[in-house]
Amino acid sequence: GIQVEQSPPDLILQEGANSTLRCNFSDSVNNLQWFHQNPWGQLINLFYIPSGTKQNGRLSATTVATERYSLLYISSSQTTDSGVYFCAVVFWSNYGQNFVFGPGTRLSVLP
Amino acid sequence: DAGVIQSPRHEVTEMGQEVTLRCKPISGHDYLFWYRQTMMRGLELLIYFNNNVPIDDSGMPEDRFSAKMPNASFSTLKIQPSEPRDSAVYFCASSHDREGGEQYFGPGTRLTVT
Repeated sequence: GIQVEQSPPDLILQEGANSTLRCNFSDSVNNLQWFHQNPWGQLINLFYIPSGTKQNGRLSATTVATERYSLLYISSSQTTDSGVYFCAVVFWSNYGQNFVFGPGTRLSVLP
Repeated sequence: DAGVIQSPRHEVTEMGQEVTLRCKPISGHDYLFWYRQTMMRGLELLIYFNNNVPIDDSGMPEDRFSAKMPNASFSTLKIQPSEPRDSAVYFCASSHDREGGEQYFGPGTRLTVT
């Protein structure tokens, strides 16, 4: 099956710093999502980005499907950005839709 | 839409008891997923349904776990009998093929088995 890797596994930033999180996947996929799991455990949709670049405020994401990776950029980080960031890929098989999560990047933003 | 709804939000039970977790997907979505999250194993897919039919239950840990989807707006995940190692957060998510599979998660049920 498809393997999804994320790097770095852990990241500590000072408030105001910028960061880049990476997601690599081992085979062609139909779609890719980025989630933020906040310290209360909620999984929040950030981006649905099978290819190209999207921006939402201080966050942006780029997926290069042909090279099998996606990047999540966080600019001017805030303490509320802390939590775990997951990427997940979607692909179709004979059985239908399949969804594979990466292991996550744990981000801590210090005041 | 209210999003994916799960109940209860917290459940504490004793070992050996039956536990039933409930999920209402987003209206119109035709896929429903059950996940389990623990510190040790991360986020694991347990089972998913397409149009109320179970498609892949290979992630269900053992026969003590069962899931049903009697209609398009309701699903249950049952554990009988429960064990302390079942303690985890259980998430339900839904998606639609027409939207390319973008998943939306519920708030989760935190299960503690003592």
